[in-house]
Amino acid sequence: GAVVSQHPSRVICKSGTSVKIECRSLDFQATTMFWYRQFPKKSLMLMATSNEGSKATYEQGVEKDKFLINHASLTLSTLTVTSAHPEDSSFYICSATNRVRTEAFFGQGTRLTVV
Amino acid sequence: AQSVTQLDSQVPVFEEAPVELRCNYSSSVSVYLFWYVQYPNQGLQLLLKYLSGSTLVKGINGFEAEFNKSQTSFHLRKPSVHISDTAEYFCAVSDQDTDKLIFGTGTRLQVFP
Repeated sequence: GAVVSQHPSRVICKSGTSVKIECRSLDFQATTMFWYRQFPKKSLMLMATSNEGSKATYEQGVEKDKFLINHASLTLSTLTVTSAHPEDSSFYICSATNRVRTEAFFGQGTRLTVV
Repeated sequence: AQSVTQLDSQVPVFEEAPVELRCNYSSSVSVYLFWYVQYPNQGLQLLLKYLSGSTLVKGINGFEAEFNKSQTSFHLRKPSVHISDTAEYFCAVSDQDTDKLIFGTGTRLQVFP
């Protein structure tokens, strides 16, 4: 299967700072990337869909000014959690796909802890 | 809009026993169906997928699932589980026009020796 690399795997930051998470498709061009948030013992909640070269589409209830998504190239999307607070602590997972493939490939996830 | 229901939040089973993890979906359009496995603090790994054709789909690690359109189900089965199968399992659906996945709430499979 295709490889999607997510970095960092773990990050601890202070409340009020911003954190950037990268999602890279290593061996295919990802026209679409998805960002999910997973709470403990809960399912994955889709936060936003990002298409290369265009603005991300956010799901209802997700603050676009807080969770900035950039998909500047066909192999890289970034999620920036701005002015992080403890309630933003969670497991964030990205996935990537293109129109040729009929499945999404997932990154390893990022454990964000805001203290 | 699509939705996925995984009725069992936890399934305990002894090693070498068979297991079935249930998944039901609802959608007004044709969909693709997926099962993913997640090990602690890791991303998701695809077990199997149904796109079209044969309703019985075989995946990795000895898992299989059967698509039942009339019952809108896609239950996951394995005839004999191993300790290493202990993980969280997610059923997901996407419509055929987008790649957006909608996940069920997950089923924790716990295999005991």
